[in-house]
Amino acid sequence: GESVGLHLPTLSVQEGDNSIINCAYSNSASDYFIWYKQESGKGPQFIIDIRSNMDKRQGQRVTVLLNKTVKHLSLQIAATQPGDSAVYFCAENGGGSNYKLTFGKGTLLTVNP
Amino acid sequence: DSGVTQTPKHLITATGQRVTLRCSPRSGDLSVYWYQQSLDQGLQFLIQYYNGEERAKGNILERFSAQQFPDLHSELNLSSLELGDSALYFCASIPVTVNTEAFFGQGTRLTVV
Repeated sequence: GESVGLHLPTLSVQEGDNSIINCAYSNSASDYFIWYKQESGKGPQFIIDIRSNMDKRQGQRVTVLLNKTVKHLSLQIAATQPGDSAVYFCAENGGGSNYKLTFGKGTLLTVNP
Repeated sequence: DSGVTQTPKHLITATGQRVTLRCSPRSGDLSVYWYQQSLDQGLQFLIQYYNGEERAKGNILERFSAQQFPDLHSELNLSSLELGDSALYFCASIPVTVNTEAFFGQGTRLTVV
């Protein structure tokens, strides 16, 4: 069945370090992927997205890498800051004509000052 | 601010009761999605509406129902509540075009006692 999972449930880094959060997906029909950040008590916020015809996309301090061969997605955060502390979710659209996001369980990122 | 409004923010009710959660999507967005987030779970897709019609169902219990009104706001009705229904309930909306980010509201925290 469809599933999106995360390799690491928690990640602790020092301020200024780079962070890498990984995600595996199983639905090969998915052609659109999103990373969301969720701070405590808030709704998920969009960070960056990538379509399946790309293998890398960069934003401000963030980069998403997509490896369709092994169905793997990663989020890289450069120079991690305390404000980056949150739960990060990857999501896939499942392909098809109807858009439905399937989320993984999330990775808790803690940035130590 | 995502532009998606959810009310109420918090709700405490007793087992066996019925509640209604409300969501107003972003202006112009026709699709509304409902998600449930429990303490040890990621975001579980419940149901999707598009321009007033049900488009997709996920892991939604029979005790739960939803609808989208002509003004595009949506309501999620939860009945015969059980302790295990305690969770955060999120609403998200997207524009007409597919494969774009979904905008999430701040959620309703439901506590069943």
